[in-house]
Amino acid sequence: KQEVTQIPAALSVPEGENLVLNCSFTDSAIYNLQWFRQDPGKGLTSLLLIQSSQREQTSGRLNASLDKSSGRSTLYIAASQPGDSATYLCAVMGHFGNEKLTFGTGTRLTIIP
Amino acid sequence: DTGVSQNPRHKITKRGQNVTFRCDPISEHNRLYWYRQTLGQGPEFLTYFQNEAQLEKSRLLSDRFSAERPKGSFSTLEIQRTEQGDSAMYLCASSLPWTGGGYTFGSGTRLTVV
Repeated sequence: KQEVTQIPAALSVPEGENLVLNCSFTDSAIYNLQWFRQDPGKGLTSLLLIQSSQREQTSGRLNASLDKSSGRSTLYIAASQPGDSATYLCAVMGHFGNEKLTFGTGTRLTIIP
Repeated sequence: DTGVSQNPRHKITKRGQNVTFRCDPISEHNRLYWYRQTLGQGPEFLTYFQNEAQLEKSRLLSDRFSAERPKGSFSTLEIQRTEQGDSAMYLCASSLPWTGGGYTFGSGTRLTVV
């Protein structure tokens, strides 16, 4: 059974700092990995999607990396802003026949102005 | 198309009542998923459809839960005889199958059972 772990559970950093969020998964037989953002009481917004054959994806100040063999992904946020405050979730999708997302419990990020 | 739409946004119900939620996916997406998220946890898979066919159901989906997707468009999730443990955010998502594309989630329906 796939298990996804995110560390740390919560993180507070001053505005302007760069930061890294971590995600690990137990079964490396994934189809893709997706990072989401969730604001309090809201749904999920997709940030980055990395296919299993890719090593990283970038969007603006966000960069996600994937090391499938070691079961790890990181989300790097550059020059953090107060608007980045949210919960960040990573999720992995299995291969054909197991096509659902398995989520971690998230990292709650607070950017201090 | 403005994305995945879920209604209602919030639902408060008394224990023992039945509730029904609706999800309208992105029109060209033939895959539709339901997830449940409790406070402080990540979303957990409940069930998914390809067109009108329900392809998988989680063991979390007890006999009190039923999901349908008639005509392969919108979907409904019904919970019968609600219990306090059913209080959660119910999230719907849609996608295209096996194109490598990700999920698009709706804003969710927050259920509170009192």
